[in-house]
Amino acid sequence: NAGVTQTPKFRVLKTGQSMTLLCAQDMNHEYMYWYRQDPGMGLRLIHYSVGEGTTAKGEVPDGYNVSRLKKQNFLLGLESAAPSQTSVYFCASKNRVAPGANVLTFGAGSRLTVL
Amino acid sequence: GENVEQHPSTLSVQEGDSAVIKCTYSDSASNYFPWYKQELGKRPQLIIDIRSNVGEKKDQRIAVTLNKTAKHFSLHITETQPEDSAVYFCAASTPSYNQGGKLIFGQGTELSVKP
Repeated sequence: NAGVTQTPKFRVLKTGQSMTLLCAQDMNHEYMYWYRQDPGMGLRLIHYSVGEGTTAKGEVPDGYNVSRLKKQNFLLGLESAAPSQTSVYFCASKNRVAPGANVLTFGAGSRLTVL
Repeated sequence: GENVEQHPSTLSVQEGDSAVIKCTYSDSASNYFPWYKQELGKRPQLIIDIRSNVGEKKDQRIAVTLNKTAKHFSLHITETQPEDSAVYFCAASTPSYNQGGKLIFGQGTELSVKP
C-alpha cells in the first residue's frame, strides 16, 4: 500500500514549456486535490476532483489544467509554464465516507522550477 | 469561498513553554478543522482535528479549541520540545457534499523551540 505517489519529484522547465504531474493513489479514495505551496502563503488549492471524470477549480486554477480519467489518478498539467509557477506541488486524497472521511493523505511533493 | 487567516507567522518559544497558534475562518458552513505539521522537506501530517459539534479536543500535549460563534480556532502545545519545531497549518473544510469537502489552509506558522 503505497498511499499517494507523485511523479516526478523534481523538474526544471524553461518558460513556455509544458509538463504533466502525475498523482496516483491506491486507497480507492473518491476525492483528490492538487495544492501548491509557496513560502509564507501556505497550501493553496489549485483544482480538485470528487470522482472519476469530474474536476473543479480551487483557489488558484489559472495556468493549470487537470484530468481524472481513472479513479486512482489525478493529473495536473501546465500548458505554458511561467516563472510564477515555480513551487512545490502536493497531491492529496481522501475518502468520501467514514472512517477517515475528512483526513487528507498527502503525497511527498513535486518541486518544480521554471526558468 | 472560504478564507482562513492564521497568526502568528513565526513563533519562537523556550523548551518547556507553551505555544498557541490562532486561526479564523469565514464560511459558517465549515464544520471540520484539522491541524497539520510539516517538517522541513516533508509532507504535511495531520496532528489533530476537531469538528464543529465539539468545543475542545486534547491529545497528550496538544489541544485544539473551537469557537463557532466567533469563527476561530486555536492550537495549543504544552511543554514544548525541540522536536515540535516545524511549520503548522490550520485548515477549514465544508462537508463533503458541499464542493467536495475541500480543505482551505491558513498561511502557516513556523514554530521554533529553543533548547
